[in-house]
Amino acid sequence: GQSLEQPSEVTAVEGAIVQINCTYQTSGFYGLSWYQQHDGGAPTFLSYNALDGLEETGRFSSFLSRSDSYGYLLLQELQMKDSASYFCALKAAGNKLTFGGGTRVLVKP
Amino acid sequence: DTAVSQTPKYLVTQMGNDKSIKCEQNLGHDTMYWYKQDSKKFLKIMFSYNNKELIINETVPNRFSPKSPDKAHLNLHINSLELGDSAVYFCASSPPERGVTGELFFGEGSRLTVL
Repeated sequence: GQSLEQPSEVTAVEGAIVQINCTYQTSGFYGLSWYQQHDGGAPTFLSYNALDGLEETGRFSSFLSRSDSYGYLLLQELQMKDSASYFCALKAAGNKLTFGGGTRVLVKP
Repeated sequence: DTAVSQTPKYLVTQMGNDKSIKCEQNLGHDTMYWYKQDSKKFLKIMFSYNNKELIINETVPNRFSPKSPDKAHLNLHINSLELGDSAVYFCASSPPERGVTGELFFGEGSRLTVL
């Protein structure tokens, strides 16, 4: 089976940097995705890592270390609109995504 | 120009009733999914169809029956509703190449409340 662990909640101030860690267990690794979900909204895709290293998309970056079964999402220059839940998700065969429990990020002024 | 649309957005019903949620995508994608998000925000896959063919069927009670009349539609029918079925149900889709990158396009969700 597959399992993912991420912190339940992180609080930071506007302009700060937040790192959301995700550790996983899987028998076959295809890739690690990150999604953002605002309260009452739909999950939206942020990034995907299939190979080790850092992927940068604007203020958000995602990192993967397959040897450590570990990834993180880095949110830079935090803005109030970044208050949301962030999910890591493991990709498996058949396009199946298994999601972690989500990390609620609260941005304070 | 909604990409993945679900109806209804809200559904309140009594235990024991049967209800359906409809999903349509206009993105031309081949693969569609149903996910369930519980009150603790845990997102769990239920079913996946690729070009009308069932490819993923997780451990879901057989009261839940998906139907895909064509690759643009995936409906979810639930029989004999129970309190534990209360959740937000998300439909999603992905084309083959985006499936490779782990990107799903989600609908806005259908919040089901069973009383």
